[in-house]
Amino acid sequence: SAVISQKPSRDICQRGTSLTIQCQVDSQVTMMFWYRQQPGQSLTLIATANQGSEATYESGFVIDKFPISRPNLTFSTLTVSNMSPEDSSIYLCSVRHSGTSGRNEQFFGPGTRLTVL
Amino acid sequence: EDKVVQSPLSLVVHEGDTVTLNCSYEVTNFRSLLWYKQEKKAPTFLFMLTSSGIEKKSGRLSSILDKKELFSILNITATQTGDSAVYLCALNDMRFGAGTRLTVKP
Repeated sequence: SAVISQKPSRDICQRGTSLTIQCQVDSQVTMMFWYRQQPGQSLTLIATANQGSEATYESGFVIDKFPISRPNLTFSTLTVSNMSPEDSSIYLCSVRHSGTSGRNEQFFGPGTRLTVL
Repeated sequence: EDKVVQSPLSLVVHEGDTVTLNCSYEVTNFRSLLWYKQEKKAPTFLFMLTSSGIEKKSGRLSSILDKKELFSILNITATQTGDSAVYLCALNDMRFGAGTRLTVKP
């Protein structure tokens, strides 16, 4: 299995500022995913981050607003830029890795709870 | 556009009841369907289904995928209060449904 940590676990930010969320995995993984879960809603995929290439963004998300870095196979960052209250959400990092079933499973980090005032 | 629809959106049962959660989908190229349990922040992986049939996670949880009719169900038998959670269905590249909020009362 894969153990994922995220920093910070939560933050309260002012409108117009930016926050960078870090995701660290205890194993080397090819694909890392960033999700957003707004209050009372399901998870929405923001982008897929592969090491050595630019992230692939989903419809509705752009690099200028959510720049992503993937410098190696165990680490990624997501920046939420020029924040507004609508960006208040839980941001989750996720990876695919072999699990106890022997197959590839999806593991999630503990999430970063962001509140924008 | 790929779509994942879960039903019901919420469900309240008593301990010992059996529940069936539904997930229907529309997709251009199906690769896999996944079920998760979300209690607090991070979802916990339950099943990955790639071909029609049944996969059992534990003695009380099982899931069926029907690729012809484009749906999956998650069954939980002899429910316990610890089963209370949001159950999420996700498709392929992790497009999630809205989830089913299950509440199991003592």
